[in-house]
Amino acid sequence: GAGVSQSPRYKVAKRGQDVALRCDPISGHVSLFWYQQALGQGPEFLTYFQNEAQLDKSGLPSDRFFAERPEGSVSTLKIQRTQQEDSAVYLCASSIGTSGRGEQFFGPGTRLTVL
Amino acid sequence: DAKTTQPPSMDCAEGRAANLPCNHSTISGNEYVYWYRQIHSQGPQYIIHGLKNNETNEMASLIITEDRKSSTLILPHATLRDTAVYYCIVRVALNTGGFKTIFGAGTRLFVKA
Repeated sequence: GAGVSQSPRYKVAKRGQDVALRCDPISGHVSLFWYQQALGQGPEFLTYFQNEAQLDKSGLPSDRFFAERPEGSVSTLKIQRTQQEDSAVYLCASSIGTSGRGEQFFGPGTRLTVL
Repeated sequence: DAKTTQPPSMDCAEGRAANLPCNHSTISGNEYVYWYRQIHSQGPQYIIHGLKNNETNEMASLIITEDRKSSTLILPHATLRDTAVYYCIVRVALNTGGFKTIFGAGTRLFVKA
């Protein structure tokens, strides 16, 4: 595809439900990132993949958050037993390399609302 | 733990230059400065980046001070569509390999007719 895509664009969940958010990075991009953006705030780093390896998950707020990228392309962010404080926009980004020198391309985000 | 500081908001008249400042006094010698912007309901969009030389592209110019402790993003002729939140970013290398981007709160630029 032409850019990073995410689905769904909007998700409403009842508190306690599990959700799965999908990210399709740009083909061939080695690095993939997930960020959480609360209303009025800048994006906050959640986790980083290099191909299929999850090299950093220091930003995941609790053990209810789980991310995977099993084949080194599509990634899924799963949130179990959602809470109201999980309401945010979840952004995915990809980058062709791993050095941090190049451009990081962001998807449009998934807006999660937990009722 | 953002490594940059920016004013929370700025106004600019349409057609005039918008100069957005950023302080990054703790930047390391090999760390680049990146600028992104985020228009409402969209993901952040890359604008420009630089190490120590001034940079220019079709969107903007980046002026970095000689000591690299601050920089200014210049939109030469701001339009209403440039109204957005602008983030000045220094990426952080991860111990395990790769990098992450630490965003601050950014500067909310309002371009007014």
